[in-house]
Amino acid sequence: AQRVTQPEKLLSVFKGAPVELKCNYSYSGSPELFWYVQYSRQRLQLLLRHISRESIKGFTADLNKGETSFHLKKPFAQEEDSAMYYCALSRMGGGADGLTFGKGTHLIIQP
Amino acid sequence: DAGVIQSPRHEVTEMGQEVTLRCKPISGHNSLFWYRQTMMRGLELLIYFNNNVPIDDSGMPEDRFSAKMPNASFSTLKIQPSEPRDSAVYFCASSFQGGFGGELFFGEGSRLTVL
Repeated sequence: AQRVTQPEKLLSVFKGAPVELKCNYSYSGSPELFWYVQYSRQRLQLLLRHISRESIKGFTADLNKGETSFHLKKPFAQEEDSAMYYCALSRMGGGADGLTFGKGTHLIIQP
Repeated sequence: DAGVIQSPRHEVTEMGQEVTLRCKPISGHNSLFWYRQTMMRGLELLIYFNNNVPIDDSGMPEDRFSAKMPNASFSTLKIQPSEPRDSAVYFCASSFQGGFGGELFFGEGSRLTVL
């Protein structure tokens, strides 16, 4: 069975510092990886997906199949980045089978 | 569109009572997912439907849980009888499957407390 691991429950960094949220997965096939974010009092929403190779709100994530990782990075953190971040995996294209989520990392950006 | 709509937002009930959670997906979406979120286990996929048909219910914890989708605009998750360990936030999500993407759109969740 597939599994997503986010080793940090809480990550606190200062504004302007680099941020890296770690995500590792286990799955024997070729999964699709996603990052979802939940800001305070808002719904869980898609931040980015690996197949798009895009940067959203300054965040990027590269799929490393050798290390089975999909870490989320941003060079300069902003206070509005404070939120819960969830890494997720889909066995099928576009999440057609539903997503397997990690337990999430609470990111706090200190002023 | 108002997005995925869930009701009730909060439910407090006593052990043994029946609980029904409701979900209205985004119009035009053809897949619907029920998730449960707890501190210990995070977000767990309970069941999902494609075109109103249940595809995979392997995440449903036990027979006390059941889900239906009678039409494209409505789904229910029922717990009967409820137990304190069912206390959690239950999320419904919908998506359009049929091409690139398939982003899941989540509701605001239903927070269930079983006393």
